[in-house]
Amino acid sequence: DAGITQSPRHKVTETGTPVTLRCHQTENHRYMYWYRQDPGHGLRLIHYSYGVKDTDKGEVSDGYSVSRSKTEDFLLTLESATSSQTSVYFCAISAPSADNEQFFGPGTRLTVL
Amino acid sequence: AQTVTQSQPEMSVQEAETVTLSCTYDTSESDYYLFWYKQPPSRQMILVIRQEAYKQQNATENRFSVNFQKAAKSFSLKISDSQLGDAAMYFCAYSGGSSNTGKLIFGQGTTLQVKP
Repeated sequence: DAGITQSPRHKVTETGTPVTLRCHQTENHRYMYWYRQDPGHGLRLIHYSYGVKDTDKGEVSDGYSVSRSKTEDFLLTLESATSSQTSVYFCAISAPSADNEQFFGPGTRLTVL
Repeated sequence: AQTVTQSQPEMSVQEAETVTLSCTYDTSESDYYLFWYKQPPSRQMILVIRQEAYKQQNATENRFSVNFQKAAKSFSLKISDSQLGDAAMYFCAYSGGSSNTGKLIFGQGTTLQVKP
């Protein structure tokens, strides 16, 4: 299994509070991604990174920011959490020459009350 | 923009029988990849099978095979000799094209029930 961990695995927070989710990889892959999974929508891309300090927006980036200061870590921040951000969040990694195959972390279930 | 559509929210199959999950996609690109991912109740995303658009031969992985129709933009997954462990949500996904950032575009998912 690809070495990807996410922390925390579960979190309950209140509306208006900041939240940071962490993705850590041991594979030294260049690309990292954050997706959210909601019923009826599958997984949707929030942000992705193609190198240290290189990030770009995905399909549903409003209300989220990311940072990547080291190859192995990709942080997703909700500056002021809202109930619409209640979701399961997945981190994924891929290498440019790996036929675009992505390896996924175990997911983080976030509940915003 | 590329889109992926799975029109079957739920499917069921009898153990040992064969089932086909449907997926259609839309793209103007000629070079891309298509995937089927399995998500069991554990929530872990598991790659089932991958198809490269430039390859005419349909991909096969043990009991899993695809029917890739490039002109029709169709990418169905066939599961033969279904097992109880195949029960999961299955996602079709698209990636690639000229930008090739590796971003995946997912369908809505199909929940597969396997009856003993």
